[in-house]
Amino acid sequence: AQSVTQLDSHVSVSEGTPVLLRCNYSSSYSPSLFWYVQHPNKGLQLLLKYTSAATLVKGINGFEAEFKKSETSFHLTKPSAHMSDAAEYFCVVSEWSSGDKLTFGTGTRLAVRP
Amino acid sequence: DGGITQSPKYLFRKEGQNVTLSCEQNLNHDAMYWYRQDPGQGLRLIYYSQIVNDFQKGDIAEGYSVSREKKESFPLTVTSAQKNPTAFYLCASSLRQGADGYTFGSGTRLTVV
Repeated sequence: AQSVTQLDSHVSVSEGTPVLLRCNYSSSYSPSLFWYVQHPNKGLQLLLKYTSAATLVKGINGFEAEFKKSETSFHLTKPSAHMSDAAEYFCVVSEWSSGDKLTFGTGTRLAVRP
Repeated sequence: DGGITQSPKYLFRKEGQNVTLSCEQNLNHDAMYWYRQDPGQGLRLIYYSQIVNDFQKGDIAEGYSVSREKKESFPLTVTSAQKNPTAFYLCASSLRQGADGYTFGSGTRLTVV
């Protein structure tokens, strides 16, 4: 069975400082991992995905994530936060044994202070 | 541009009433999904369909019904049997094997009045 744990429900950073959103996963097989972003009252937008190629994945808007199998982690980072990054972020896992259905974390709300 | 369209954006339902949420995609995706989102609970799967005329229950299907008569369309009906329907509903689609992730619509916020 697959699962994902987002370690922080809320993260607050100052504009221009680094962002770190933490995610640990559990999977019986080689998983696919995703980060999605959701702005208020909007749908989810795919930021980046890991599908067993390079372990460091670059996404949109300057975000990146590193797949660490030994730590079962897939943390999301950005070197410098922008006010427009304030949103909710979801870490998501899928594996072929579940028919590639996605399992969502409970989300991390990112606040960016001026 | 291809994408997923959900309508309406806001919907109000009276007690004991059935309502239907629309979801249409022009991405030529085989699979479609309905999720419910409540604050602090992430997304929970209601129903999904991997092919026309076939669909499966998700984790919280009670009080909901769906149909998949066309590849492009996957409407969700919230029935009067759903005791707590107030939530944000998201529709998504993917290629048959969802390993590349899903494309989401912009959501429908349903409120019981």
